[in-house]
Amino acid sequence: DGGITQSPKYLFRKEGQNVTLSCEQNLNHDAMYWYRQDPGQGLRLIYYSQIVNDFQKGDIAEGYSVSREKKESFPLTVTSAQKNPTAFYLCASSSNPGRWNTEAFFGQGTRLTVV
Amino acid sequence: DQQVKQNSPSLSVQEGRISILNCDYTNSMFDYFLWYKKYPAEGPTFLISISSIKDKNEDGRFTVFLNKSAKHLSLHIVPSQPGDSAVYFCAASAQKGSSNTGKLIFGQGTTLQVKP
Repeated sequence: DGGITQSPKYLFRKEGQNVTLSCEQNLNHDAMYWYRQDPGQGLRLIYYSQIVNDFQKGDIAEGYSVSREKKESFPLTVTSAQKNPTAFYLCASSSNPGRWNTEAFFGQGTRLTVV
Repeated sequence: DQQVKQNSPSLSVQEGRISILNCDYTNSMFDYFLWYKKYPAEGPTFLISISSIKDKNEDGRFTVFLNKSAKHLSLHIVPSQPGDSAVYFCAASAQKGSSNTGKLIFGQGTTLQVKP
């Protein structure tokens, strides 16, 4: 059963700690994305990767880091440099790196709360 | 700089009536538009899309209209059902050669409530 898995669904961390959010897909998609959702601001792009071992900054990359060592995995690290890390994080993948199409899917999200 | 805008944060309609959700965009390079539906604490799910070569696309109760000259699109839901209550996101994508290649740019979302 193909899909995208984000884990954990809920995550709590103390201020100043780095935390890594997991995203795994078995759809054989080349492109993967990380978005952040805040109330009233829609989904904003953090990082994206169109191919293994390559990734680009999105609109709000500051305070985040990613890696793409395997096609199926695109973990996101929220560092202590991120000023407002509490948010709902969504991972997505797409079969076509050059064109977002209907064969693009989102994971169920991770709610990160920093206390 | 918000390239995709949904200016109505919320919309409330009666069951059986039409729901019209609006979306405006500023970047003329966008040539593919999608609507996603999202429930709280879940990922968005794809609803319907439209290419810029068309001005209308229909799928069951859902129809998307595109007005390229006005850089405006709308989603019509007829008839509206209580199960349609969710947040609806408009999103836009650009073809290769654009700085937005491969990205999906989202609007802020509109919360639709369909009352029984």
